[in-house]
Amino acid sequence: GEDVEQSLFLSVREGDSSVINCTYTDSSSTYLYWYKQEPGAGLQLLTYIFSNMDMKQDQRLTVLLNKKDKHLSLRIADTQTGDSAIYFCAESRGNTGKLIFGQGTTLQVKP
Amino acid sequence: NAGVTQTPKFQVLKTGQSMTLQCAQDMNHNSMYWYRQDPGMGLRLIYYSASEGTTDKGEVPNGYNVSRLNKREFSLRLESAAPSQTSVYFCASNPPAGTDTQYFGPGTRLTVL
Repeated sequence: GEDVEQSLFLSVREGDSSVINCTYTDSSSTYLYWYKQEPGAGLQLLTYIFSNMDMKQDQRLTVLLNKKDKHLSLRIADTQTGDSAIYFCAESRGNTGKLIFGQGTTLQVKP
Repeated sequence: NAGVTQTPKFQVLKTGQSMTLQCAQDMNHNSMYWYRQDPGMGLRLIYYSASEGTTDKGEVPNGYNVSRLNKREFSLRLESAAPSQTSVYFCASNPPAGTDTQYFGPGTRLTVL
């Protein structure tokens, strides 16, 4: 996962917005993804964005993609304690089906 | 649909022992993957199988072997376990066309003493 970078930790208060950032390197990536991992569980797909889009909104989640800077962000509005988890961004590599994952950002939501 | 299932959920091995981690999917997916997850390092690809009968090395294949037994099953074998293989192992699969979205199993937590 050395080609996809994320900060390791973010702490917010319940009700605030959370913004998790990611940078990637492969400009040919077709799709970029956000996965959520709760303690002791596998990865669950949250959302994805096609590389020709700038923004995608899905209820409390907003994904922003800056293709020029190879920067992806996930905004969670009205963050709840149930949002506490590790969030991984990932990029697809060509048409291989393989994904390259970042290190994961641990989101801590304080009541 | 059960999705992606993995067995066992937990395993403790002694150095030098061997074991096979099992993975199965019931979604008729072509491609399957094995990752390991270590703290602060995200997920690293060990091996993958683009279709039944084919396997390829990923980023960290040393010390592992895989078998794509049929379309449903993809197993990961540790022939001689080492403490450096203590990790959480995830299996994933994705369908033949579309968004490359991968669906993950619940993981196997392996400790090598």
